[in-house]
Amino acid sequence: DVKVTQSSRYLVKRTGEKVFLECVQDMDHENMFWYRQDPGLGLRLIYFSYDVKMKEKGDIPEGYSVSREKKERFSLILESASTNQTSMYLCASSPTDISNYGYTFGSGTRLTVV
Amino acid sequence: LAKTTQPISMDSYEGQEVNITCSHNNIATNDYITWYQQFPSQGPRFIIQGYKTKVTNEVASLFIPADRKSSTLSLPRVSLSDTAVYYCLVGDNTGFQKLVFGTGTRLLVSP
Repeated sequence: DVKVTQSSRYLVKRTGEKVFLECVQDMDHENMFWYRQDPGLGLRLIYFSYDVKMKEKGDIPEGYSVSREKKERFSLILESASTNQTSMYLCASSPTDISNYGYTFGSGTRLTVV
Repeated sequence: LAKTTQPISMDSYEGQEVNITCSHNNIATNDYITWYQQFPSQGPRFIIQGYKTKVTNEVASLFIPADRKSSTLSLPRVSLSDTAVYYCLVGDNTGFQKLVFGTGTRLLVSP
């Protein structure tokens, strides 16, 4: 079974802290994604990566950065956490061809910034 | 990326067939139609994908008319555990196509 594992299920951080959200996939997928999900707004794409050391901005990259040093790991970094970054964060991965397969998502990290 | 429109919510009862329609008027020639299911506090899960006509798997069926401007996800004999949010997406099948999720359809199945 394809697995996408997010390091924390719940996280509480203080305003101004630097926050790292880790995501690891075990299926040798080329592509990895970070989304955030907020009530009434659906899932919004923050950043994605096609390959190691490559990254592309999604729709809402402000206040975030990412790192992909190894193929299986994609980290989301909140440089200076703010309360408006309180959200559910979802990591996903996919192969280059997603026919009949789609994206595989992790279970999410619910981040609260106080 | 083609925009999709689907109902915000639907209600059903156990044992009924549920059909959720999605409209995607600007679908491109290379685009596929994909549906995901999301339970509370979990990430979305791929359900089914199609290009035209009908696709069926063990979970659902997907009906796509000839003009491909809409599609219908059909869930046969739903149970309480089918209560979830269902997302319709269109895009080509390369992973380079970043998926854009709308707000989905919230399906509530009652006893």
